[in-house]
Amino acid sequence: DAKTTQPNSMESNEEEPVHLPCNHSTISGTDYIHWYRQLPSQGPEYVIHGLTSNVNNRMASLAIAEDRKSSTLILHRATLRDAAVYYCILIDQGAQKLVFGQGTRLTINP
Amino acid sequence: DAGITQSPRHKVTETGTPVTLRCHQTENHRYMYWYRQDPGHGLRLIHYSYGVKDTDKGEVSDGYSVSRSKTEDFLLTLESATSSQTSVYFCAIMQRSNTEAFFGQGTRLTVV
Repeated sequence: DAKTTQPNSMESNEEEPVHLPCNHSTISGTDYIHWYRQLPSQGPEYVIHGLTSNVNNRMASLAIAEDRKSSTLILHRATLRDAAVYYCILIDQGAQKLVFGQGTRLTINP
Repeated sequence: DAGITQSPRHKVTETGTPVTLRCHQTENHRYMYWYRQDPGHGLRLIHYSYGVKDTDKGEVSDGYSVSRSKTEDFLLTLESATSSQTSVYFCAIMQRSNTEAFFGQGTRLTVV
């Protein structure tokens, strides 16, 4: 299974942009890059996913490097509600295994 | 919200007893997953299913078995519960890798 590497923790301020990095140097050509987040005492929730091109949705943007070996989740204007653990996951189109790493714990300061 | 429910939501059981957790979906998604999450840790994959009667092991499958006799239900069984299996268990569903996965609200299992 392709692995991802994320910083253990990050801190930002409310109403500022947040860039959460993820390295996945062993990514294969058919792996999708997914991001999920987990709020305290809840199950993970979907944030965004992409394959090669940058993606935007109402929650965030996903910037994917040209060689696909890294990606960045961008929260454009952080709120206190965005404090969570963020997971970057690779899902291959074959086995479709959904394997989590340790994630990044994001703290938002008021 | 996606139609995925876990039951029971909370359970306390004694060491050595069998326990079955149920994950039920109404989305007709092909893939279903079981995870456990321990305090301060991420989610670890126990087993997953890629179709009716098709299952495979995850990272921490020892002591657990699963069954999927119909699309909508994925059962996780602890044949003989141990205290080390005290954890929060999450179920997830996904149609394919280019679609989002949905997670249940979790089952808190305590083995005493």
